[in-house]
Amino acid sequence: EPEVTQTPSHQVTQMGQEVILRCVPISNHLYFYWYRQILGQKVEFLVSFYNNEISEKSEIFDDQFSVERPDGSNFTLKIRSTKLEDSAMYFCASSETGQGPWTQYFGPGTRLLVL
Amino acid sequence: QKEVEQDPGPLSVPEGAIVSLNCTYSNSAFQYFMWYRQYSRKGPELLMYTYSSGNKEDGRFTAQVDKSSKYISLFIRDSQPSDSATYLCAMSEGDYKLSFGAGTTVTVRA
Repeated sequence: EPEVTQTPSHQVTQMGQEVILRCVPISNHLYFYWYRQILGQKVEFLVSFYNNEISEKSEIFDDQFSVERPDGSNFTLKIRSTKLEDSAMYFCASSETGQGPWTQYFGPGTRLLVL
Repeated sequence: QKEVEQDPGPLSVPEGAIVSLNCTYSNSAFQYFMWYRQYSRKGPELLMYTYSSGNKEDGRFTAQVDKSSKYISLFIRDSQPSDSATYLCAMSEGDYKLSFGAGTTVTVRA
């Protein structure tokens, strides 16, 4: 069964450093998403992306965050200057048609720790 | 008032019992309602979805939505130890942004 993959599974970084989290969506999917889950808190929507454009973003997704589809298979989330409060599990999701929020398939997540 | 509220539990039941989970919400614009299961160190996995008030059944799982009360439920019949996981409710106004509850941790004891 096709699945969303994410690398790395764990990343530790120093405050102020840039990090790039990588995702490989399911191959025929066209809609891509990032969510995050701070330890002990809810899963929170960050951004949705389609046709090389952001289609929706949350208040959390400020200028420190950016997303990119650098090639036909990867989808990345960049955090320019990490803060302690960016420590969280980051989930990538993808959807084939974008029609119906239940069509989003989630990856296993990248656990980011900012020291 | 939080947009989506879900009792985090934990909930422990004996094998074979009915597991009852619920969420309340404040945003009347939500029109899609989902339940996800999440195992440790894994991403959320869709269990069920619905977009209207009423019941929807899939095997041992039944999802209920009451839009007038802004209340949704998930029932798991004949629970198994393999059902032990965190269950997340999620809601959406449109096709993209999912708003999740805090998740309820369920343990089914053999």
